[in-house]
Amino acid sequence: AQKVTQAQTEISVVEKEDVTLDCVYETRDTTYYLFWYKQPPSGELVFLIRRNSFDEQNEISGRYSWNFQKSTSSFNFTITASQVVDSAVYFCALSDTSFRDNYGQNFVFGPGTRLSVLP
Amino acid sequence: NAGVTQTPKFQVLKTGQSMTLQCAQDMNHEYMSWYRQDPGMGLRLIHYSVGAGITDQGEVPNGYNVSRSTTEDFPLRLLSAAPSQTSVYFCASSPDTGELFFGEGSRLTVL
Repeated sequence: AQKVTQAQTEISVVEKEDVTLDCVYETRDTTYYLFWYKQPPSGELVFLIRRNSFDEQNEISGRYSWNFQKSTSSFNFTITASQVVDSAVYFCALSDTSFRDNYGQNFVFGPGTRLSVLP
Repeated sequence: NAGVTQTPKFQVLKTGQSMTLQCAQDMNHEYMSWYRQDPGMGLRLIHYSVGAGITDQGEVPNGYNVSRSTTEDFPLRLLSAAPSQTSVYFCASSPDTGELFFGEGSRLTVL
């Protein structure tokens, strides 16, 4: 069975600090996708990134970076120089590539990490 | 640049009433789904569709119906609302690459 664990329930940082959100996943599949989503206080769910299991290159997008390590089944998300607008709940998610056939069963979300960035 | 549009954003129902949450996407995605989000329960899949005319149940389908007559629309029907269906509902669509694009959510309260 697939599972996503986000051990950090809540994190609080002061603006301009760097913060890393942890994500550990379990899957028996050799091919899968990992995702991060942001849910700000306004409530919408915003797609941030998709990573294929074959691509272990780290990715950077502005102040955001993602570290994918297959050896430890982790897909961690770092925000550099955090800002108040980064305050949100962040979800890590996993799906396998057969989602077309088992779409409903194989997209799994973690419980989320609530990040508060204080001014 | 609408993406996924859900209506209504807020709704209050009395127990036993029925209603439909509307969802439309303009990205020509084949895959659409409905999730509910409850405190401490995360996001749970209600129903999904892999194309027009095809729907299937997710993790928590009881009390809900869906249909998919067109690629664009995927309404969610509550047949007889119960307080346990008080939740925030999200519609999502997905391209073949798998990422979900969500609507803004619909907050439903059943009294």
